[in-house]
Amino acid sequence: DVKVTQSSRYLVKRTGEKVFLECVQDMDHENMFWYRQDPGLGLRLIYFSYDVKMKEKGDIPEGYSVSREKKERFSLILESASTNQTSMYLCASSDAERQYFGPGTRLTVT
Amino acid sequence: QKEVEQDPGPLSVPEGAIVSLNCTYSNSAFQYFMWYRQYSRKGPELLMYTYSSGNKEDGRFTAQVDKSSKYISLFIRDSQPSDSATYLCAMGAGGFKTIFGAGTRLFVKA
Repeated sequence: DVKVTQSSRYLVKRTGEKVFLECVQDMDHENMFWYRQDPGLGLRLIYFSYDVKMKEKGDIPEGYSVSREKKERFSLILESASTNQTSMYLCASSDAERQYFGPGTRLTVT
Repeated sequence: QKEVEQDPGPLSVPEGAIVSLNCTYSNSAFQYFMWYRQYSRKGPELLMYTYSSGNKEDGRFTAQVDKSSKYISLFIRDSQPSDSATYLCAMGAGGFKTIFGAGTRLFVKA
């Protein structure tokens, strides 16, 4: 079974803080993704990575950055958290079309 | 117009009913199609993957793809309260980009 883990299930941060969300997969997948999920808006792609140190912007990259130093680990960074970044953040990995998701991190920015 | 349209529901059915969940899409280049199940406060779980028109069955679940009509369906037979979740359709044309529907909330009443 593919296992994707995320560092926290719930996080509460203050406006302006730098926030790190970590994701680890154990299936040696090349591709990793970060999404946010909001009611009525579905899943929106923030960034993805198709190889170590490689990254591509998704549909909503503003206010976010990513890091992939090792194949199994993909980090999402909120440089200066804002209240409109309160959301469910989902990490996924894939070797082809099928994406496998982690449990999600529910981030609240106050 | 969104690339993928999915009725958000909620859809409420009695236990034992046959459930039909649907998505329409506009991009004729889409080649692969998936269904995910997402329980409350959890990450999406891949249920079905198909690459062609026609039906694919897995236990109580049947995925149907009609490329000529740009329409996909997921049927759940003998629905159970444990099937209560949000169901997301997803599809893509190859490469890294997968488009997700916004999800349909399903409630199966005991």
